[in-house]
This record gives sequence, C-alpha cells and structure tokens, in this order.
Amino acid sequence: DTAVSQTPKYLVTQMGNDKSIKCEQNLGHDTMYWYKQDSKKFLKIMFSYNNKELIINETVPNRFSPKSPDKAHLNLHINSLELGDSAVYFCASSQALATEQYFGPGTRLTVT
Amino acid sequence: QKEVEQDPGPLSVPEGAIVSLNCTYSNSAFQYFMWYRQYSRKGPELLMYTYSSGNKEDGRFTAQVDKSSKYISLFIRDSQPSDSATYLCAMRSSNDYKLSFGAGTTVTVRA
Repeated sequence: DTAVSQTPKYLVTQMGNDKSIKCEQNLGHDTMYWYKQDSKKFLKIMFSYNNKELIINETVPNRFSPKSPDKAHLNLHINSLELGDSAVYFCASSQALATEQYFGPGTRLTVT
Repeated sequence: QKEVEQDPGPLSVPEGAIVSLNCTYSNSAFQYFMWYRQYSRKGPELLMYTYSSGNKEDGRFTAQVDKSSKYISLFIRDSQPSDSATYLCAMRSSNDYKLSFGAGTTVTVRA
C-alpha cells in the first residue's frame, strides 16, 4: 500500500499551459505539504494544509494554487507554466503539525 | 548564507566502510533534526529524527547533534551498496512547522 501517492509521475508540457498535480495520503494524517526540488536537489516548502486549512504559504508565484478537497488530498494547480517551473514536486504528509513528514514519490515536471 | 549547509559530495566509499555525513546550521532556534535518504528518482524517506543535543542509534545508523557547535552528523556503519543514495539533513525550531533542508550529499558505496 502506497502511503503518499502522486499523479502523474511525469509531466511534460509547453510554456503557457495550465496543469494540475494530485496527491493522496492513506495514513490518516491531518497535515499535507507541497515541496519543490530543483536540479541541485534543494528541497523547498511551498504550501502546507492542516485539516484543510492553509497554514504555510511561502513566497511562491500566485500562478501556483493548492487545493485541499479533504484531509486526504492536496492538489497543486499551476497556471501559465514557465521554463523555471521545471522541477520535481513532492507531496508530503504528517500526523499533525510539527511531526515527522512522509514524502510521496514526486512528480517530475518539465516545461518546454 | 544558507540557513543549513551540507556538502553535496559526491562521496564514494568501499563496501563495509563507515560513511560520515554532516550539516551545519546558523539558526540557534533549531531543536528538531532529521535525516532523510533519497534514492534516485524517489521521494525522501525519513531515516532518523532527533530532538536537541545527543546521540541516537538505529541499527547501522547513528545520528549526532551538537547544538553548541550547530553541527549534526549521520554515521552509517558497515555500509552496503544499497546505502547508495542522497542523504538530506533537515531541521526546524519548536515554534515553526517549516523544515529547512540541506542540499543533500550523494553517497556511492562500491561493492
């Protein structure tokens, strides 16, 4: 059983398009996160939701919009994709705020 | 200067060697320290989770935290080819939910 899953695994798209990445966790956790990992492997948090409420919203272009339909799901929608958005996006979850985080397998986004 | 500094390596060791990884940090408020292992094209996997200063051992892995020096370490004993991965340190303060990550050290254990 996959604890934190993401779809799609790979996403290749052109500049200017709009795309979504989906994340689901079956751990019963209350908190979910989106991270971006650049080509140098540096992981940076983008957003965090706790009980469907946005609690962390880092300095991210407003082209990125997270949505949490329920505690088990956190999706990321990206408008007007740019070349610089190419990265691996990881979803993570934790039982509560400030507890261990468990990561999904990542979505490799390539913008051409 | 980054909040968390980690030598990206790469680090190549023979099978059976001790692997020594470390991170330094600048924020004295950091209290919780983690090590993640990330295999190629996979998500980070939590290896060790420690609070404040001291040592923690789990099988072949030992995590050390020296808050006075703002320095944390991960040691892997009797390293195996399956330990070949990127190791990321992460940390946070007690009143902040955000994790600050190091850039990761890529380790190769040669058979």
